[in-house]
Amino acid sequence: NAGVTQTPKFQVLKTGQSMTLQCAQDMNHNSMYWYRQDPGMGLRLIYYSASEGTTDKGEVPNGYNVSRLNKREFSLRLESAAPSQTSVYFCASSALWGTGNTIYFGEGSWLTVV
Amino acid sequence: GESVGLHLPTLSVQEGDNSIINCAYSNSASDYFIWYKQESGKGPQFIIDIRSNMDKRQGQRVTVLLNKTVKHLSLQIAATQPGDSAVYFCAEIKNFGNEKLTFGTGTRLTIIP
Repeated sequence: NAGVTQTPKFQVLKTGQSMTLQCAQDMNHNSMYWYRQDPGMGLRLIYYSASEGTTDKGEVPNGYNVSRLNKREFSLRLESAAPSQTSVYFCASSALWGTGNTIYFGEGSWLTVV
Repeated sequence: GESVGLHLPTLSVQEGDNSIINCAYSNSASDYFIWYKQESGKGPQFIIDIRSNMDKRQGQRVTVLLNKTVKHLSLQIAATQPGDSAVYFCAEIKNFGNEKLTFGTGTRLTIIP
């Protein structure tokens, strides 16, 4: 059982380049999330998707786009990378809160923009 | 804006002792609180949660206490082990059913052998 899998693990980009972070979960969860974590900080929500076909902005959405491709997959795209987007990115998923389930995180993607 | 904050950024505890990690939150209407553990190079892992209609919840070696009067949350870890060394985050959900977590800055717990 892989849980939440995100790729790539590490990436270096030049300013202005674009890239997509991929995320997939095998737990049949409805909700998926993208967070970023800067050094010494907690996680901040970029975008989330409550169900297949829906997406919504989180706390820090500027400079990012997302696609909920199907129930399993939720991708994060940087159209024109900036040094301020250097961070660790975490994908997460959860089932419905009514069941008392919690959010499960992937292992993280370290992105450096130079 | 509303935030979830931590009193201490670092905490060192002797192996075998108990540890207490504190968290202050500012939104009195928050429904749900979760403690996460994050080891170096890994994603956060769920430890324990508590709903706003409770004041205490116990798990295996961990206890979460919620004091809504002073908007304070704590995580107690009993008989600490080297594997407990990590950064601990509290997080809140403002409305149960709205799954957007707000995280605090984190406390780094170091267990001294």
